This record gives sequence, structure tokens and C-alpha cells, in this order.
Amino acid sequence: GAVVSQHPSRVICKSGTSVKIECRSLDFQATTMFWYRQFPKQSLMLMATSNEGSKATYEQGVEKDKFLINHASLTLSTLTVTSAHPEDSSFYICSARVIRLAGTDTQYFGPGTRLTVL
Amino acid sequence: DQQVKQNSPSLSVQEGRISILNCDYTNSMFDYFLWYKKYPAEGPTFLISISSIKDKNEDGRFTVFLNKSAKHLSLHIVPSQPGDSAVYFCAASQYGNKLVFGAGTILRVKS
Repeated sequence: GAVVSQHPSRVICKSGTSVKIECRSLDFQATTMFWYRQFPKQSLMLMATSNEGSKATYEQGVEKDKFLINHASLTLSTLTVTSAHPEDSSFYICSARVIRLAGTDTQYFGPGTRLTVL
Repeated sequence: DQQVKQNSPSLSVQEGRISILNCDYTNSMFDYFLWYKKYPAEGPTFLISISSIKDKNEDGRFTVFLNKSAKHLSLHIVPSQPGDSAVYFCAASQYGNKLVFGAGTILRVKS
């Protein structure tokens, strides 16, 4: 259980276009999902926390108007990179939180999406 | 301010031997700790976790040890296999809050 999918796995787009990335929890409901970004040879950087039915919480330095997050259902969160530029090229990873027992709060990650902006 | 630190960027181990990956943290409010394994161009895979009420958790070849007084945890893999070669991330959280990741340690298991 606890499988998280992302779509697309890879996308190449022209500068100035918008790109939508979907994150789905396949066999469980996730009230909270997270979006991360990873640069080459660096650790995961949390971009925002996505809560079902409410606005996302963005980390300091992340432009909320550029990275639009929508968590419309308990199994789907989307990240839209608006007016993408080459510096937005990165590996974007989502995760979904699973809380089973008191004190156990685990995030399961999607496979990631490689975005290349030309 | 790095709240979770993995001071060894890489580790090389012979197949069949024990791999020990270390992680230190500074925030005493953290009460849940996790280890993830990551291959290039893939999302992290959850390996094992431990809550602050325990000092050891074991799952197959993987054991995590937590020393709260030293704010230190370690992941032991025994026996190590070539397929274990990956980047290992330590992460910590205060219940219900976001995960804080370490920088990762590259493990290479030589056959």
C-alpha cells in the first residue's frame, strides 16, 4: 500500500508556457500532500504543503503565484508551474502523508517529474 | 540552520558487510525519524522509521537506532547488497509537521 503516482514523468516545454504536474495517492486518501524540488546533487527542498480543501502553505522564498497548487480531492494534488523559464528546470517530487498510529506520520513519495524548460 | 545533518557525503562498503549510515539532529522537539533510499531520477522510497519513544526498530536487513541524549540516529544495513547502492536520506519531524531532510549519504556496495 501507500503508492503515490506522478504524471507526467518527464516534460519539455518552451519558455513562457505553463506546465501542470499531477500527484495521486493510489490506494489511500491523503489530506496532506507535499511538493518538493531537487536540484542536481542536492537534497530535497520543500516547496509547499498542500491541504485538501484549503490553500497551500508555501515555504519561504517560493513564489506562490508562480507555483500554483491545488488539492481538490483526497487523492489528487496538482502543481502548475506558470510562465516557466529555464531556471525552473528541475526534478519535482510530491509526497503524501499517511498517519496510521499515534506518533507514526510517514510520507510516501511519487516517482518525480523531470521538467526541462527550453 | 541545518537541523538534520548527515556528515558523511559518501560511504563505500564491501558486499556482505554491514553499512552504517549516521544522522545527527539539533531540534529536540523532533519526535519521529525516517530513512529514505533514493535512486537517481526517482522519488525517495520509505525504508524504516522510529518514534522517539523507542531506541531501536528493525525491519529485515534494516535497523534504525535512536540515541535521544546524543540527538543521533543511525541506519544499519546487514548484510549489504549491491542493490543497496543509492543515496540515503535521513529525515525528522515533529508530529504533524513537515519533514526536515538531511543532505543525504551516497552508499556504494562493492561486489
